[in-house]
Amino acid sequence: EVQLVESGGGLVQPGGSLRLSCAASGFTFSSDWMHWVRQAAGKGLVWVSRINSDGTSTSYADSVKGRFTISRDNTKNTLYLQMNSLRAEDTAVYYCASAGNCSGGSCYSGVSLASPDSWGQGTLVTVHS
Amino acid sequence: QSALTQPASVSGSPGQSITISCTGTSSDVGSYNLVSWYQQLPGKAPKLLLYEVTKRPSGISNRFSGSKSGNTASLTISGLQAEDESDYYCCSYAGTNTWVFGGGTELTVL
Repeated sequence: EVQLVESGGGLVQPGGSLRLSCAASGFTFSSDWMHWVRQAAGKGLVWVSRINSDGTSTSYADSVKGRFTISRDNTKNTLYLQMNSLRAEDTAVYYCASAGNCSGGSCYSGVSLASPDSWGQGTLVTVHS
Repeated sequence: QSALTQPASVSGSPGQSITISCTGTSSDVGSYNLVSWYQQLPGKAPKLLLYEVTKRPSGISNRFSGSKSGNTASLTISGLQAEDESDYYCCSYAGTNTWVFGGGTELTVL
């Protein structure tokens, strides 16, 4: 069974930093592409970032580009999100989610274009002074 | 990276069918057959219902079906049940390795 467990959320002041972790189990983490998605209270889902299976390719939403960094350690089956220069509008529950390996109709020339499939339960980040 | 447009709410009676629309642009929904749908119960993580417009993951009821025409994708739930009452989100690949979600639709089963 796929299990994703986020941690590292908490209260941080504007301009501060936080690193989120996502521990993965129940699947071959090193083969899967991974996403971070966030959701402010009472609001919709917003895609944040994606990383390929070996960590060499990343992408970001414009709203976090230059401030957030996604990374992974396949030896520890763990996904990370380093968040710097945090703003009040970054306050949200942050979910990590797997997107499978690059296969089927969502795989184009070795690049997975798959949206998230399995999700963790999320970790709350609050940016407030 | 503007959010896809979904109706804020829809409703239906048990046994009926409902359809939730998801309207994007020619840069996202209209360009790729990479639309997914999620169900999110209150306080829970989203659950994948459909991917690549029409495909259902293992374990998802065939009461959930998807389609796409032009820049609009749709989720249809047939034989509506009380447990279908939830929030529903669409998501589309939006090019240059980015994704965009819809604003979400609250489904009420009357």
